[in-house]
Amino acid sequence: SAVISQKPSRDICQRGTSLTIQCQVDSQVTMMFWYRQQPGQSLTLIATANQGSEATYESGFVIDKFPISRPNLTFSTLTVSNMSPEDSSIYLCSVEQRGVYNEQFFGPGTRLTVL
Amino acid sequence: QKEVEQNSGPLSVPEGAIASLNCTYSDRVSQSFFWYRQYSGKSPELIMSIYSNGDKEDGRFTAQLNKASQYVSLLIRDSQPSDSATYLCAVNRNTGGFKTIFGAGTRLFVKA
Repeated sequence: SAVISQKPSRDICQRGTSLTIQCQVDSQVTMMFWYRQQPGQSLTLIATANQGSEATYESGFVIDKFPISRPNLTFSTLTVSNMSPEDSSIYLCSVEQRGVYNEQFFGPGTRLTVL
Repeated sequence: QKEVEQNSGPLSVPEGAIASLNCTYSDRVSQSFFWYRQYSGKSPELIMSIYSNGDKEDGRFTAQLNKASQYVSLLIRDSQPSDSATYLCAVNRNTGGFKTIFGAGTRLFVKA
């Protein structure tokens, strides 16, 4: 399975500021995903990031708030802009490995607290 | 109707017992089915993948799939306290452009 790293692992930020989360994969993957998960809650897909095209955002998420970059097949960033305490959550990068199952694997996550 | 439904639990079983986790899905075109384990404060970890009707065994884990009933389950034999976690069911059409749909998860507690 793909090995995925995220930076930072956690951060505490002031409201109104922005944070960029990095996701690095040890192999080339076509599809990368960004999720949010609040404590005790299920996964919420923010957007799908494919290399060479604009990210596709889910309902309730917009590019101005969560700009995403996907410069190559092993790297992506998610920026949480103009943060408010409601953005406090765990942000997870995920990749899909094509094959028999099209399995999806997750990075370790970034725990964000906004004060 | 949710696309992937799971009982939120908690499901509590004694150590050594069989834990049975269930999941139903609404998309009949789904081809691939997954079980993830998520420990508190950690990210989801893929533990089983299945795409054919019937049973698939891997160690103490058995995934069962019934496409006609749109039902997938995970059995954990000889449950251990270390199995205590949230288990997420996920389904995928296994074709380009479609994303994996995750259930909300079932919390499992294995009592020592």
